[in-house]
Amino acid sequence: DQQVKQNSPSLSVQEGRISILNCDYTNSMFDYFLWYKKYPAEGPTFLISISSIKDKNEDGRFTVFLNKSAKHLSLHIVPSQPGDSAVYFCAANRDDKIIFGKGTRLHILP
Amino acid sequence: KAGVTQTPRYLIKTRGQQVTLSCSPISGHRSVSWYQQTPGQGLQFLFEYFSETQRNKGNFPGRFSGRQFSNSRSEMNVSTLELGDSALYLCASQRILNTEAFFGQGTRLTVV
Repeated sequence: DQQVKQNSPSLSVQEGRISILNCDYTNSMFDYFLWYKKYPAEGPTFLISISSIKDKNEDGRFTVFLNKSAKHLSLHIVPSQPGDSAVYFCAANRDDKIIFGKGTRLHILP
Repeated sequence: KAGVTQTPRYLIKTRGQQVTLSCSPISGHRSVSWYQQTPGQGLQFLFEYFSETQRNKGNFPGRFSGRQFSNSRSEMNVSTLELGDSALYLCASQRILNTEAFFGQGTRLTVV
């Protein structure tokens, strides 16, 4: 039973444009949501989080939107830069446990 | 402030052997979680320790076990290794529960 789903395994975006990474979840009891970025041969790096009581959180080029009625969240990166090419994991926290999606590989095209 | 340290970085073992992986969390962090990353499955939760007690466990067989010491360092053990255990094993530490997790670089385990 996959509680956190990232349905797009990969995404290609032109440099300078907006990257939108999507995530769906099934459990309405999640306390907060997180996005992690992972380069090859490195551990995931925390990017941004959002509490379940909010609908938007912004940090520089990164904005996370939460739509609780749709059980959907998205990460917007604008403008996209070459260094943003990585795998992005969506995660949700419940009962002191963080549950991750399978990840979306983002390619930023020159 | 030093990050999460995992040792060893790479490991090759044969089927049937057992392996122990080590994780030193960020100083002051009391929670340590372990994850398995494989290409098709993403990050799968193994278990979490807080103050030397296992608080959560994922859906992995009993061959996977762990422990946490009084200094918050954690070890993970896999016995009777199978080919399918080949993966990147990641450790994450949290200052307290319900805060963001910081990951180590992982241990790449290859079972041959």
